[in-house]
Amino acid sequence: KQEVTQIPAALSVPEGENLVLNCSFTDSAIYNLQWFRQDPGKGLTSLLLIQSSQREQTSGRLNASLDKSSGRSTLYIAASQPGDSATYLCAVMNRDDKIIFGKGTRLHILP
Amino acid sequence: GAGVSQTPSNKVTEKGKYVELRCDPISGHTALYWYRQSLGQGPEFLIYFQGTGAADDSGLPNDRFFAVRPEGSVSTLKIQRTERGDSAVYLCASSTTGTTPLHFGNGTRLTVT
Repeated sequence: KQEVTQIPAALSVPEGENLVLNCSFTDSAIYNLQWFRQDPGKGLTSLLLIQSSQREQTSGRLNASLDKSSGRSTLYIAASQPGDSATYLCAVMNRDDKIIFGKGTRLHILP
Repeated sequence: GAGVSQTPSNKVTEKGKYVELRCDPISGHTALYWYRQSLGQGPEFLIYFQGTGAADDSGLPNDRFFAVRPEGSVSTLKIQRTERGDSAVYLCASSTTGTTPLHFGNGTRLTVT
């Protein structure tokens, strides 16, 4: 059974710092991995999707890496801003198309 | 519409009642997922449709929960004899294939009193 773990559960950093969020998964037989952002009371917004054959994806100040063999992904946020404050969720798509989420990391950027 | 639409946005019901939650996916998206999210938790998988058929319903908690997608577009999640423990945000998401991102609706907040 696929399990997805995100560390840390919560993180507070001063504005302007670079930061890394971690995601690990137990079954490496995945199709892809996605990082999402969720604002309070809202649905999820897809940030980056990495196919199983890829090692990383970049969008603006965000960079996500994938090491499938070790079951790990990181989301790197450069030059953090207060508007980056949100919950970040990692999700993996298994070979059976089921998508499993971690519990998320609550990020707070201090102005 | 431009995105995934879920109705109602909020639903308050009494214990023991029946509720239906609706999801309108993005036009052309064949894959549709239902998730349940409790406060401070990640989304919990409930059921996945590919077209009209439920490809995987292993996440449905018990037989009080049922979902349909009769024409391969709109889906309805049905909960019978609601319990207070069913209170959560129910999220719907759609995508074209496994290689494309999931698009989520804003969810339905269900409160069972």
